[in-house]
Amino acid sequence: AQSVTQPDIHITVSEGASLELRCNYSYGATPYLFWYVQSPGQGLQLLLKYFSGDTLVQGIKGFEAEFKRSQSSFNLRKPSVHWSDAAEYFCAVARVKGSGDKLTFGTGTRLAVRP
Amino acid sequence: DGGITQSPKYLFRKEGQNVTLSCEQNLNHDAMYWYRQDPGQGLRLIYYSQIVNDFQKGDIAEGYSVSREKKESFPLTVTSAQKNPTAFYLCASSISDYSNQPQHFGDGTRLSIL
Repeated sequence: AQSVTQPDIHITVSEGASLELRCNYSYGATPYLFWYVQSPGQGLQLLLKYFSGDTLVQGIKGFEAEFKRSQSSFNLRKPSVHWSDAAEYFCAVARVKGSGDKLTFGTGTRLAVRP
Repeated sequence: DGGITQSPKYLFRKEGQNVTLSCEQNLNHDAMYWYRQDPGQGLRLIYYSQIVNDFQKGDIAEGYSVSREKKESFPLTVTSAQKNPTAFYLCASSISDYSNQPQHFGDGTRLSIL
C-alpha cells in the first residue's frame, strides 16, 4: 500500500520569506500526487496536483511543487509567504489504478507566519 | 455556487446515543467520501460511495454507518459502538472515484462527547 510522510509537524516562517514543505511517498511506481490546504475549522482546498509530464507544477495562491522521482518527493514551495498562508498543509497520494482507489493523506504540516 | 454543505457545524453526543451528520452536494458528483480527522493523524477514510445505492468501508468503518439513497446526499451515522467519536468529520466528493480526480471538501462537523 502507498504511504505518505510529511516530516515537519510545525514550521514557522517570517512574512515575505520563502517556504518549502516536504512530502515523501512510498509507492512502486509514480502515483498521482496532491497538495491540499486547510484553514482552521474548515475543509480542505486543493492547491495543485501532479499526474505526469512537467515535474514542476503550478497551483493556486502562488504555490508550486516539484516531483522528484529519484527522491520519491513532492515538495511544496512558495517564494514569498503572506500572513494569510498560515494554515495546515496536507500532501496526498493515490495509486495510478483507476476506479475505486483511495487517497492516502500525510499527517500534515502546520504553517505559522511571523509578522 | 456549487459546493458541499455539512451540518451541523458542531454536534454533541451523549453516551449510548447515535448521531447523524449530514452531507449534501450540488456538484453532480458521483463519488462521495467521509473522513475522520484527529490532531496529528491526518485524514482517515471511514466510508466512500462510488455511486448511488452503493458504498464501501474505508480504513476505520467500525462504529459508523452510511447510506446513499440520493446522488446529492451521503449521511454518516456515528453509532454508540464508536467508543471514541470525538473528532472533526469531513465529507468530500469527486466527479468519479478514479484516483486522478481531486476531491472537494465540506467545512466539516466537529463532534464532541457530553
